[in-house]
Amino acid sequence: DSGVTQTPKHLITATGQRVTLRCSPRSGDLSVYWYQQSLDQGLQFLIQYYNGEERAKGNILERFSAQQFPDLHSELNLSSLELGDSALYFCASSVATSWDEQYFGPGTRLTVT
Amino acid sequence: ILNVEQSPQSLHVQEGDSTNFTCSFPSSNFYALHWYRWETAKSPEALFVMTLNGDEKKKGRISATLNTKEGYSYLYIKGSQPEDSATYLCAFKPSGGSNYKLTFGKGTLLTVNP
Repeated sequence: DSGVTQTPKHLITATGQRVTLRCSPRSGDLSVYWYQQSLDQGLQFLIQYYNGEERAKGNILERFSAQQFPDLHSELNLSSLELGDSALYFCASSVATSWDEQYFGPGTRLTVT
Repeated sequence: ILNVEQSPQSLHVQEGDSTNFTCSFPSSNFYALHWYRWETAKSPEALFVMTLNGDEKKKGRISATLNTKEGYSYLYIKGSQPEDSATYLCAFKPSGGSNYKLTFGKGTLLTVNP
């Protein structure tokens, strides 16, 4: 158990809908990272927050957004969902910066039908 | 776009065999190289973070070396056990610019047969 929690574990929704994925980092970790893993892709970095502020952006679509709250939990919002958004979404946390090792949550499997 | 390549893509070994695989990354603007172990139906688990050329790290039967000048890292597993079966991912972090994001390779899938 990494200490990072993600909810929900599974999510099935229809195209065009909007969903919110939630992540609670390990106690004491200030950085939260979001990754997407599709069927034939490796882990794709989406976005990082550090202590409430956006720190780095990766291949995140404009339909997706994220935030980190004062209690350091983070939410990833996915809107106008398309079939191709079906994937495993991981959240990870680290003490501070991304040269620290990252601790991954169990992931949320999103299926868009 | 950063190119992080892992080879081989997959590997089957017998229990007790020692094995190794490679991660290649850009040799310029190196900052850190991470190794993760990812078992099926679980989430990636950190093995090592390597930052210095010539670094060698060890955790039990697993060790890793780093050559930043030529842009590669090796992961070694001594006396493989069935529980070592997993995908091993490396991730590269450059210095400067997009300093805060890791680029992951696609992994090496290791299967250890009993």
